[in-house]
Amino acid sequence: DGGITQSPKYLFRKEGQNVTLSCEQNLNHDAMYWYRQDPGQGLRLIYYSQIVNDFQKGDIAEGYSVSREKKESFPLTVTSAQKNPTAFYLCASSSGQINEKLFFGSGTQLSVL
Amino acid sequence: GESVGLHLPTLSVQEGDNSIINCAYSNSASDYFIWYKQESGKGPQFIIDIRSNMDKRQGQRVTVLLNKTVKHLSLQIAATQPGDSAVYFCAENSRSGYSTLTFGKGTMLLVSP
Repeated sequence: DGGITQSPKYLFRKEGQNVTLSCEQNLNHDAMYWYRQDPGQGLRLIYYSQIVNDFQKGDIAEGYSVSREKKESFPLTVTSAQKNPTAFYLCASSSGQINEKLFFGSGTQLSVL
Repeated sequence: GESVGLHLPTLSVQEGDNSIINCAYSNSASDYFIWYKQESGKGPQFIIDIRSNMDKRQGQRVTVLLNKTVKHLSLQIAATQPGDSAVYFCAENSRSGYSTLTFGKGTMLLVSP
C-alpha cells in the first residue's frame, strides 16, 4: 500500500525538550514538506526538501530543524526554541514537479505537558 | 506576504443541495490552484486542481471555477452528501520555481440529512 506514514499519532513534549516527528513515504517522491496547522487555521509551511540532502526554510522555520538523508524519510525536530509547539503537524510529499498536487500523511498532534 | 483567503468560515446546507465554497487569492502571479478536503484529525485529501490557463475544470460531483480577472476561485459540489462534511481548503503555488503550496484558512461545510 503506497502512501505517507507519520508517527507517532500523538506526542507530548516537556518543557525544554526536543522531540522528533517521523515521516516516511514509499511513493518514490523527490519532494517532501512539513506543515503546521493550528486550530481553525490553514496550513503553514515549516520546511521543504526538493531532493535528498537539500532542504529550505518555509514561512515558520524558527524553532524547527529537519534532515533529508534518505529519499523516503524527512524527520522534523521540534526544538526547545519553539515556544508554542502545540499544533497538528502534517507531512506531505510530491513528485517535485512544479504545479503538482501534494499527498499528505495523517498527521501528528503535538501537545506540551 | 501575499496569501490565499476564504470568504465564508462555515457553510451549512441540506443533503442534496449544491454547495459553493469561495476563495480569494491575492498573488496575481500564481498559476496553479488546488482544493483539499480535511476531515477532523486527518490529513488533507486532494479534491481537484486547476491551472491558470483554464477557467473551469470538472471532476466527479465537483467543479472548480477560476476567475483570474477578480482573482477568485470556487469549488462547487453537486448533490451534497453528509459524507462531504469537512473543512475545505484552497491553495496556490507559492514560490516560483518550487512545488510548495500556500493554503487559505479553510471553510467548514456542514451537511444536514
